[in-house]
Amino acid sequence: ETGVTQSPTHLIKTRGQQVTLRCSSQSGHNTVSWYQQALGQGPQFIFQYYREEENGRGNFPPRFSGLQFPNYSSELNVNALELDDSALYLCASSDGGKVGNTIYFGEGSWLTVV
Amino acid sequence: DAKTTQPPSMDCAEGRAANLPCNHSTISGNEYVYWYRQIHSQGPQYIIHGLKNNETNEMASLIITEDRKSSTLILPHATLRDTAVYYCIVRVGNYGGSQGNLIFGKGTKLSVKP
Repeated sequence: ETGVTQSPTHLIKTRGQQVTLRCSSQSGHNTVSWYQQALGQGPQFIFQYYREEENGRGNFPPRFSGLQFPNYSSELNVNALELDDSALYLCASSDGGKVGNTIYFGEGSWLTVV
Repeated sequence: DAKTTQPPSMDCAEGRAANLPCNHSTISGNEYVYWYRQIHSQGPQYIIHGLKNNETNEMASLIITEDRKSSTLILPHATLRDTAVYYCIVRVGNYGGSQGNLIFGKGTKLSVKP
């Protein structure tokens, strides 16, 4: 039990639609990052939020966007869904004020695009 | 790209120690070595991390060579539930949310057999 919770756990969307995934970070953690994991692959970094601002981004197009709220929970939004967006989306939280901190993952949200 | 090299697969007998190697020959002075594991369809589980000293916790031990170019994760008494993909990752440690993200490679598929 990591204290990182994600919702929904599973969802199915149609190509072209938009989706919002949600994440509650572990208590006291001010940094949230999102990862995409396609079937059979390792997780790929999407972006990171620290104290409500994006401060790092992987190789993902602008239709992947996010928010972090004052309570440090976070949302991942994906617009104009494509079939290749089908994946497990992982949220992870950490304490950005601590050097060499530990990153804890949630159980993920499974997105299927049809 | 991942900065680590791991064998793609390993077998271990139940009850024996599992020793998982990792090469990170280009590691920088401010990069930590992290180990995560992922059981099918679940979020990555944090195991242990370290900078240069050997580390031990309730799950495992981490042995880092003196030149820091390689490390070994040791599961002292492997059980069937330890069957998973194990990821070795190097990550920059800094303050203030500027810490590096986790770059996952392909990991080592550990199979614990009865």
